[in-house]
Amino acid sequence: KAGVTQTPRYLIKTRGQQVTLSCSPISGHRSVSWYQQTPGQGLQFLFEYFSETQRNKGNFPGRFSGRQFSNSRSEMNVSTLELGDSALYLCASSLESGSWDTQYFGPGTRLTVL
Amino acid sequence: GQQLNQSPQSMFIQEGEDVSMNCTSSSIFNTWLWYKQDPGEGPVLLIALYKAGELTSNGRLTAQFGITRKDSFLNISASIPSDVGIYFCAGQRLYSGAGSYQLTFGKGTKLSVIP
Repeated sequence: KAGVTQTPRYLIKTRGQQVTLSCSPISGHRSVSWYQQTPGQGLQFLFEYFSETQRNKGNFPGRFSGRQFSNSRSEMNVSTLELGDSALYLCASSLESGSWDTQYFGPGTRLTVL
Repeated sequence: GQQLNQSPQSMFIQEGEDVSMNCTSSSIFNTWLWYKQDPGEGPVLLIALYKAGELTSNGRLTAQFGITRKDSFLNISASIPSDVGIYFCAGQRLYSGAGSYQLTFGKGTKLSVIP
């Protein structure tokens, strides 16, 4: 059974650009959540999508957005990149929203903003 | 906003020793989660706790959901070299509205095991 996959694994962008990250969940999982991990702020919850709808959202500005497709794959977009957006972006999938026992993380996308 | 205080930040222990780490908050949580993250990988869920007072084990790991719902601890017994990594706690707080929640993470405990 394939795990959660994230593409690309590494990305370099410059300030002001936008970026789209992709996450493919485990087959059968309908919930996808996104997280930002930085040395300073640690792990922070961005948002969760379930059945193509954003179900929950963390405390991030509107520059951070996402969507989920009918096959449960999800994308996260960050517009007008800032230096502080450099981070490891992790996604996780689970069978249902809040079914933590079924949650698995992907390896992450390392974003560097120059 | 909600904050979780996780301690200790780091610890060095001898192989075979027991380990204890905890998370505390001024806020009440509905669920406590414990994760382990190895370098270059995403976190792995170790234990999920759903009820105040709940004590759950997963092999050599034991975690408890505090009675006040504001804290949780994780114990690792008889540590081995592969226990090395960063351990995170997370608290989920439910809000009114179907499935609405906020998830807050601790800053992590970096565990080093000396063979």
